[in-house]
Amino acid sequence: AQSVSQHNHHVILSEAASLELGCNYSYGGTVNLFWYVQYPGQHLQLLLKYFSGDPLVKGIKGFEAEFIKSKFSFNLRKPSVQWSDTAEYFCAVNGDGNKLVFGAGTILRVKS
Amino acid sequence: DTGVSQNPRHKITKRGQNVTFRCDPISEHNRLYWYRQTLGQGPEFLTYFQNEAQLEKSRLLSDRFSAERPKGSFSTLEIQRTEQGDSAMYLCASSLSSGMNNEQFFGPGTRLTVL
Repeated sequence: AQSVSQHNHHVILSEAASLELGCNYSYGGTVNLFWYVQYPGQHLQLLLKYFSGDPLVKGIKGFEAEFIKSKFSFNLRKPSVQWSDTAEYFCAVNGDGNKLVFGAGTILRVKS
Repeated sequence: DTGVSQNPRHKITKRGQNVTFRCDPISEHNRLYWYRQTLGQGPEFLTYFQNEAQLEKSRLLSDRFSAERPKGSFSTLEIQRTEQGDSAMYLCASSLSSGMNNEQFFGPGTRLTVL
């Protein structure tokens, strides 16, 4: 069965700090990987996705993620966070082309 | 608005009552998914449809839960004899059926509170 582990449930950063959110998944086959974001009061939105090709993928709002197959990881990064990045971030894996399996989420608070 | 819509946005009910939620997907999407999210957890898959066919159901979907998508457009999720443990956010998502590369678009969810 597929599973996703997100390392930190709460992260607090000051503006301009760098961000890295960890995500590890458990699945033996080919996977699609996603990061979704949920801003306060809003619905889940796709931040970025990896299907194949270049393991370093760039998403919206300056976010990027690196797929490391040997480590079963898909960590999310941003060089300099802004107050508006305060949100909950979910890593998800799709191993069968159908359902998404989500991690528990990481709540990011950026202090201005 | 051409995104996924869900109604109602909030539902408060008493234990033992039946509730029904509706999801309207993005119009050209033929796949529709239901997820449930509880506090402190990520969304958990419940079921999905391709057109009107329900192709997979999670073990989370007890026999009190039923989902339909009669004409391959909107879908309903009904919970019979609600229990306090059913309190959660119920999310709907839709996607194009394009094999592995299907990006799912989520609606705002229906928050259910069972008293």
